[in-house]
Amino acid sequence: DSGVTQTPKHLITATGQRVTLRCSPRSGDLSVYWYQQSLDQGLQFLIQYYNGEERAKGNILERFSAQQFPDLHSELNLSSLELGDSALYFCASSISGKINEQFFGPGTRLTVL
Amino acid sequence: AQSVTQLDSHVSVSEGTPVLLRCNYSSSYSPSLFWYVQHPNKGLQLLLKYTSAATLVKGINGFEAEFKKSETSFHLTKPSAHMSDAAEYFCVVIPSGTYKYIFGTGTRLKVLA
Repeated sequence: DSGVTQTPKHLITATGQRVTLRCSPRSGDLSVYWYQQSLDQGLQFLIQYYNGEERAKGNILERFSAQQFPDLHSELNLSSLELGDSALYFCASSISGKINEQFFGPGTRLTVL
Repeated sequence: AQSVTQLDSHVSVSEGTPVLLRCNYSSSYSPSLFWYVQHPNKGLQLLLKYTSAATLVKGINGFEAEFKKSETSFHLTKPSAHMSDAAEYFCVVIPSGTYKYIFGTGTRLKVLA
């Protein structure tokens, strides 16, 4: 158990809908990262937050957004969902925004029908 | 752009025989390199990391990796495979001057009884 929690574990929704994925980092970690894992794209970095502020952006679509709240939990919002958004979404956390080990949550599996 | 290549998408070994999972990265001044393991339906767990200290890095569960700058490689090895090693393994490069994880495409290790 990494100490990172993600909810929900599974999410099934329809095209065009909007969903919110939630992540609670390990106690004391200030950085949160979001990743998408799909069969065709592999594991891709989406976005990083550090102590409430956006630190780095990866291959995140404009339909996706994220935020980190004062209690350090983070939410990833996915809107206007398409079939291709079906994937496993991981959240990870680390102590700082620098090169540290990232601890990964168990992931949220999103299925868009 | 920085990248990392995992040369084998699938590797099969017999239990008790050595494991070699190959990883090459595109050249960058002093990159950091990690290996992560993902067991089925689980999040990713750090096996080991290289951050410009000793070139031979020992990790958990008997794994180790050697950083070879001349070959731009960071291959993962284990002297004797165990059934519990069956999983997907990801090589990660963090280019110098950034905090972004760049994942390889993964190698699925199968251990035969």
